[in-house]
Amino acid sequence: EPEVTQTPSHQVTQMGQEVILRCVPISNHLYFYWYRQILGQKVEFLVSFYNNEISEKSEIFDDQFSVERPDGSNFTLKIRSTKLEDSAMYFCASTSGRLLGRSYEQYFGPGTRLTVT
Amino acid sequence: TQLLEQSPQFLSIQEGENLTVYCNSSSVFSSLQWYRQEPGEGPVLLVTVVTGGEVKKLKRLTFQFGDARKDSSLHITAAQPGDTGLYLCAFRENYGQNFVFGPGTRLSVLP
Repeated sequence: EPEVTQTPSHQVTQMGQEVILRCVPISNHLYFYWYRQILGQKVEFLVSFYNNEISEKSEIFDDQFSVERPDGSNFTLKIRSTKLEDSAMYFCASTSGRLLGRSYEQYFGPGTRLTVT
Repeated sequence: TQLLEQSPQFLSIQEGENLTVYCNSSSVFSSLQWYRQEPGEGPVLLVTVVTGGEVKKLKRLTFQFGDARKDSSLHITAAQPGDTGLYLCAFRENYGQNFVFGPGTRLSVLP
């Protein structure tokens, strides 16, 4: 069964460093997302991406964040200068874009645990 | 901003018991999704409910969407340790591409 994959599974970085989190969405999907989940808190939407551009972003997704689809398979999230509060699980998700009963079926990757020290 | 509340926050029960968890909002949803998340993993979609009053069954799990489409419940019959996890509800905001998640109910089923 197709699945969303993410690398690395765990990333440790020092405050102020740049990190790139990588995702390979399901191959025929068209919409891609990044979410984060701070330990013990709820899943928070960061950004959605369609047709090689950002379609929506949240207040969390400030100038320190960027997303890119550098080739036909990878979808990346870059944090330019990490802060302690960026420590969280980061989940990538994708959907086919086909409405199924007025909603989209999102498939999530296993996440990257980012630890900023 | 439309927010989701989930209750209870935590629930610990014995294997074989039944349970119900709830998802509520003050606003109307076009649709609602339920996910289960296990520690260290991403959420896994269980079901999408769309029509007010709709009931969907997934083995021992029964999902109901409120008539007014402002609330939803998940009922588990004869819970098993494998049901342990964080149960999340989510809706698609403003017919856009982003989903808003509730805080979740953390379920622990003890053998």
